[in-house]
Amino acid sequence: EPEVTQTPSHQVTQMGQEVILRCVPISNHLYFYWYRQILGQKVEFLVSFYNNEISEKSEIFDDQFSVERPDGSNFTLKIRSTKLEDSAMYFCASKSSGGNTGELFFGEGSRLTVL
Amino acid sequence: AQSVAQPEDQVNVAEGNPLTVKCTYSVSGNPYLFWYVQYPNRGLQFLLKYITGDNLVKGSYGFEAEFNKSQTSFHLKKPSALVSDSALYFCAVRDRLYGGSQGNLIFGKGTKLSVKP
Repeated sequence: EPEVTQTPSHQVTQMGQEVILRCVPISNHLYFYWYRQILGQKVEFLVSFYNNEISEKSEIFDDQFSVERPDGSNFTLKIRSTKLEDSAMYFCASKSSGGNTGELFFGEGSRLTVL
Repeated sequence: AQSVAQPEDQVNVAEGNPLTVKCTYSVSGNPYLFWYVQYPNRGLQFLLKYITGDNLVKGSYGFEAEFNKSQTSFHLKKPSALVSDSALYFCAVRDRLYGGSQGNLIFGKGTKLSVKP
């Protein structure tokens, strides 16, 4: 069964460092998302991406964050200068088609620890 | 604004007993509702969804959910719980503020289900 894959599974970094989290969505999917889950808290929307551009972004997704799809298969989330509060599990998700009714398929997450 | 509430942080059930994980929602317009499960150290897995039609929706692993418009609820149920059902369960509603047309979701805070032998 096709699945969303994410790397790394866990990254530890120093505050102020740049981090890139990578995702390979399901191959025929067109819509891509990043969510995050701070330990013990709810899953929060960061950004959605379609047709090589950001569709929507939440207030969490500030100028420190960026996304891109560099090669048609990978979908990356970059945090330019990490803060302690960026420590969280980051989930990538993809969806096959537009509209409101389809479900999102999630990867297993990348745990980011900022020291 | 769209929102989802899961009033229970944890639900404890004995194996073989029925289980219910509660979810209530607040939306403008027709609700599109989802349940996801998160096993330890894993991602979110889709269980089932309500878009339209029958109020009782059947999903993966024997789970079902009942949409109740008058009570604005979408409780997750299973007739006979298994120890392997122990996980974190998230209710979600389609987000009409952030990219609703792109399928974005708003999640509840999650309910930990613990099934004891």
